[in-house]
Amino acid sequence: DAGITQSPRHKVTETGTPVTLRCHQTENHRYMYWYRQDPGHGLRLIHYSYGVKDTDKGEVSDGYSVSRSKTEDFLLTLESATSSQTSVYFCAISETSGRRYEQFFGPGTRLTVL
Amino acid sequence: DAKTTQPPSMDCAEGRAANLPCNHSTISGNEYVYWYRQIHSQGPQYIIHGLKNNETNEMASLIITEDRKSSTLILPHATLRDTAVYYCIVRGNRDDKIIFGKGTRLHILP
Repeated sequence: DAGITQSPRHKVTETGTPVTLRCHQTENHRYMYWYRQDPGHGLRLIHYSYGVKDTDKGEVSDGYSVSRSKTEDFLLTLESATSSQTSVYFCAISETSGRRYEQFFGPGTRLTVL
Repeated sequence: DAKTTQPPSMDCAEGRAANLPCNHSTISGNEYVYWYRQIHSQGPQYIIHGLKNNETNEMASLIITEDRKSSTLILPHATLRDTAVYYCIVRGNRDDKIIFGKGTRLHILP
């Protein structure tokens, strides 16, 4: 399995508090992604990174920010958590972009916002 | 939006071949077909991908029609551990992203 870890694996927080999720990889892959998964919606891309300090928005980026100061770490921040951000969050990595390369996914973080 | 259409669910008897269909009638000539699966509570797992030729690996086979408008993922000898949601994905022109649809929930019956 690709070396991807996510922390924390579970978190319960209250509305209005800031939350940061961490994705860490040991594969030295260039691309990193954050997805959320909700019943009835499948997996949706939040943000992705194509290099250190290079990030771009996905389809559901509102309310989220990201940072990547090192190749191995990609942080997802909810500045002020809302109940609609209760979800399972998956990080993914890929060696490069392009149609021929697959993404490898982490184990997920289950976030509950009360 | 996802560029593929899959049945929402399918059943297959344990030990038999599971054939999962996918329609991608708007696929472009330079787009690949990817298959992932997601076992309950785990992250998605890459299975196989192809362009126009049939592909086989240790997990599955991928059969793509000659017009490339549809494909079939074949799990040759399904086991209970193959129970999962299977996603058929066409990589878009913005190759950085994967757009997941709803997938097919495959139930392997003992």
